[in-house]
Amino acid sequence: EDQVTQSPEALRLQEGESSSLNCSYTVSGLRGLFWYRQDPGKGPEFLFTLYSAGEEKEKERLKATLTKKESFLHITAPKPEDSATYLCAVLIYNFNKFYFGSGTKLNVKP
Amino acid sequence: EPEVTQTPSHQVTQMGQEVILRCVPISNHLYFYWYRQILGQKVEFLVSFYNNEISEKSEIFDDQFSVERPDGSNFTLKIRSTKLEDSAMYFCASGPADTQYFGPGTRLTVL
Repeated sequence: EDQVTQSPEALRLQEGESSSLNCSYTVSGLRGLFWYRQDPGKGPEFLFTLYSAGEEKEKERLKATLTKKESFLHITAPKPEDSATYLCAVLIYNFNKFYFGSGTKLNVKP
Repeated sequence: EPEVTQTPSHQVTQMGQEVILRCVPISNHLYFYWYRQILGQKVEFLVSFYNNEISEKSEIFDDQFSVERPDGSNFTLKIRSTKLEDSAMYFCASGPADTQYFGPGTRLTVL
């Protein structure tokens, strides 16, 4: 069965304290891995798509990387406004559906 | 910047009633999706829609659910006879083939 697991469930950081979030997956035929940010009561906001192992994408303080088994979302010098739940999702070949992980809830304290 | 919009933002209904949730996808997108998120739980795929037909559906998407694209802009999710466990946020998303952009969601409360 296809699985997407995110860790940790929750992460508390001080402003400026860099860290990484993990998304591990066991799927047959990964077509793409996606990172989203979700604020309370709102829809997921698209951040990145990664397609192949070794690929990296960056946006402001965020950098996403992909291996054959997992993806990391690195947050460099986070600010309180980076506080949100970060979701990863996978899309597999021949199926037009996305599997989401449970998310990592990030809280950045000033 | 174009956005996916959803109406209503909050729907309260009695158990057994029919509800229709509405979405306006981004205009040049070809793929459309519905998801739900029960409070505190993960985003769950319901159905994907392409070329005027369902392309994938999950086990959740049983005979009580249906989707339509009644015109060139709207995309609807109908729940025929709501149950208490249907209470959740329902998100519509649209996109090109390999990504998707989400709407703000409709909070459905079934009493």
